[in-house]
Amino acid sequence: GESVGLHLPTLSVQEGDNSIINCAYSNSASDYFIWYKQESGKGPQFIIDIRSNMDKRQGQRVTVLLNKTVKHLSLQIAATQPGDSAVYFCAETYNNAGNMLTFGGGTRLMVKP
Amino acid sequence: EAGVAQSPRYKIIEKRQSVAFWCNPISGHATLYWYQQILGQGPKLLIQFQNNGVVDDSQLPKDRFSAERLKGVDSTLKIQPAKLEDSAVYLCASSLAWLTEAFFGQGTRLTVV
Repeated sequence: GESVGLHLPTLSVQEGDNSIINCAYSNSASDYFIWYKQESGKGPQFIIDIRSNMDKRQGQRVTVLLNKTVKHLSLQIAATQPGDSAVYFCAETYNNAGNMLTFGGGTRLMVKP
Repeated sequence: EAGVAQSPRYKIIEKRQSVAFWCNPISGHATLYWYQQILGQGPKLLIQFQNNGVVDDSQLPKDRFSAERLKGVDSTLKIQPAKLEDSAVYLCASSLAWLTEAFFGQGTRLTVV
C-alpha cells in the first residue's frame, strides 16, 4: 500500500484512550474551520466544523475547540478506536475567500490495539 | 447520495506527456475545487469554480495546467507537458454553498516518470 504521511507528526495512542490533535492557523481573518480525516488511498472525509463565533462544538465522539486568541484549533476523539487511525488535517477559510480552504500539514494518528 | 466521482484512479506517464483528469461533483453543488496533494502534505488548492466561472486560480501553474467546467457540472484538469514534480494525488471536491463543508472524491494518483 502507499505510505501516506511519511514526514507527518505522529500521535500514537492506546485503543480506548482519548486523542487530542492540535492545529495552529495563521490567518486571523479565518472564520470557518473544518477537521478532515484521510485514510490511505482515499480523499479527505469531513469530521466536524466550527465557526468563529463558537469556541467549542461536539459531535459523535469528537469535539473541536477553537481558541481565536492564540489561533489554535484542536480535535478531541473520545475512546479512540482502531478505525480512527488516519491522517487528520485542519482546514480554514474566511468569508471573503470564497470558501477556499487552506489545509494544514496534517497529523498521523496511530491507534494501538 | 452519490459522492464526488473522479477518474482515472491511477495514471502513470512519462515526463513531457499530457494527461487529463475528470471530475463529476455531487449533484446540485455549485462550487467545485481541484486540489493537488503531494505525498506527506496537506491538499493545496489549484483552482476553484463557482458554477462554470473561475473564482480562484492563483495557485494554478498556468503554463502547464488548465481546467474547465463546461456547463457548470463536470470538470477536467489537464497537465501539458507533465514534469516529475507533478507526481501527486489530484483531488476534486465540491460544496453546496459558501462556508459549508467540501466533499472530496477519492482522487487520481499521478506518477510522472
